[in-house]
Amino acid sequence: AQSVTQPDIHITVSEGASLELRCNYSYGATPYLFWYVQSPGQGLQLLLKYFSGDTLVQGIKGFEAEFKRSQSSFNLRKPSVHWSDAAEYFCAVGARQAGTALIFGKGTTLSVSS
Amino acid sequence: DGGITQSPKYLFRKEGQNVTLSCEQNLNHDAMYWYRQDPGQGLRLIYYSQIVNDFQKGDIAEGYSVSREKKESFPLTVTSAQKNPTAFYLCASSRQLAGGYNEQFFGPGTRLTVL
Repeated sequence: AQSVTQPDIHITVSEGASLELRCNYSYGATPYLFWYVQSPGQGLQLLLKYFSGDTLVQGIKGFEAEFKRSQSSFNLRKPSVHWSDAAEYFCAVGARQAGTALIFGKGTTLSVSS
Repeated sequence: DGGITQSPKYLFRKEGQNVTLSCEQNLNHDAMYWYRQDPGQGLRLIYYSQIVNDFQKGDIAEGYSVSREKKESFPLTVTSAQKNPTAFYLCASSRQLAGGYNEQFFGPGTRLTVL
């Protein structure tokens, strides 16, 4: 079955510390992968995406993610977290086909402590 | 500005009533989607539409209905048959990129509460 797993429901990081959010997927075809961020009561904003090529992708707000096919993972990283990064983060996987919906993980809530 | 609008932002419904959530996009995207979000559950697909006058059920379509009469619009009706409709509803649309990849964009959401 196709699925996305985000093992960490809630993570707390000190401001200025590094961050890694985990994402594992199960997908039959060659996937393309996304990370979205959501502030409370808001829609989802795309942070970055992986379609093909270089397995390390850069996104907005200083985030990056690395696609590891052998581990079926697409972990999100940031070297230094800011208080404004506190939000919920969703990993998603999709197919290379027009109009197909994404499969989302259940999300990881990030809290930033001062 | 191009984007996706959803209205209303907050919606209250009495039990037994049908309500319709609006979703409009001016991005010229062919595909549109409705997701439901509950705390700790991520996003679950309700319906999606790849082209005008065509749509498919998602994972949790029971108690919902949609229409796609115009490319720009994809309204969602929450019927009285939906047993637990209180949730946050997100509309999205996608464009086809070179190479066959989709990229989805999301609206700001509608929070529906059943009283």
